[in-house]
Amino acid sequence: DIVMTQSPDSLAVSLGERATINCKSSQSLLYSSNNKNYLGWYQQKPGQPPKLLIYWASTRESGVPDRFSGSGTGTDFTLTISSLQAEDVAVYYCQQYYTTPPWTFGQGTKVEIK
Amino acid sequence: QVQLVESGGGVVQPGRSLRLSCAASGFTFSNYGMHWVRQAPGKGLQWVAVIWYDGSNKYYADSVKGRFTISRDKFKNTLYLQMNSLRAEDTAVYYCARGGEPILTGPLFDYWGQGTLVTVSS
Repeated sequence: DIVMTQSPDSLAVSLGERATINCKSSQSLLYSSNNKNYLGWYQQKPGQPPKLLIYWASTRESGVPDRFSGSGTGTDFTLTISSLQAEDVAVYYCQQYYTTPPWTFGQGTKVEIK
Repeated sequence: QVQLVESGGGVVQPGRSLRLSCAASGFTFSNYGMHWVRQAPGKGLQWVAVIWYDGSNKYYADSVKGRFTISRDKFKNTLYLQMNSLRAEDTAVYYCARGGEPILTGPLFDYWGQGTLVTVSS
């Protein structure tokens, strides 16, 4: 199984500042035939189900604010919130869908306001 | 709009059974693979099971293989999870999730229900 490891486990960022979450996979998620990284990011606010933010490592889901961006390739990926808003307080998960089953998630990163 | 509504959770004793349901609406249910994903209290997300759009293939996490069965009813637009021989470690919120379109987003989870809590305790 592919193991997904996020860092840090939690971070506190001031309103309007940048938040950066890292995700590392135990093997490459880049599929050479289509040059796509099979990596998604989810946001889970307190008491709510997860919500898809980004797929193919860098494509924002419809309706997701452009302050959220995804980058990276192969085994190293990043989710960046360019200017943290109060409503962005949540736990963020990366997930690989390169080798399935099983679908595997990172352990989550909790983002709070400093 | 896409809606997924889980039901069937509750408190159950170890070793007993429970069946979860997920009512789907707002999309053509028979065109999509469907998943169950769980989240133990205060913990992260764990994929549990998947069923292909036509029911032809089913896969399970090792932790539930042989105890849980995923199924679907295309006429009722409903996904099920039959959980047998329940253990304390199965305690979690269980979410149903729609599989993404392979060409558009890839096979991840594009819509999630609100979840139903299963507590296994004597």
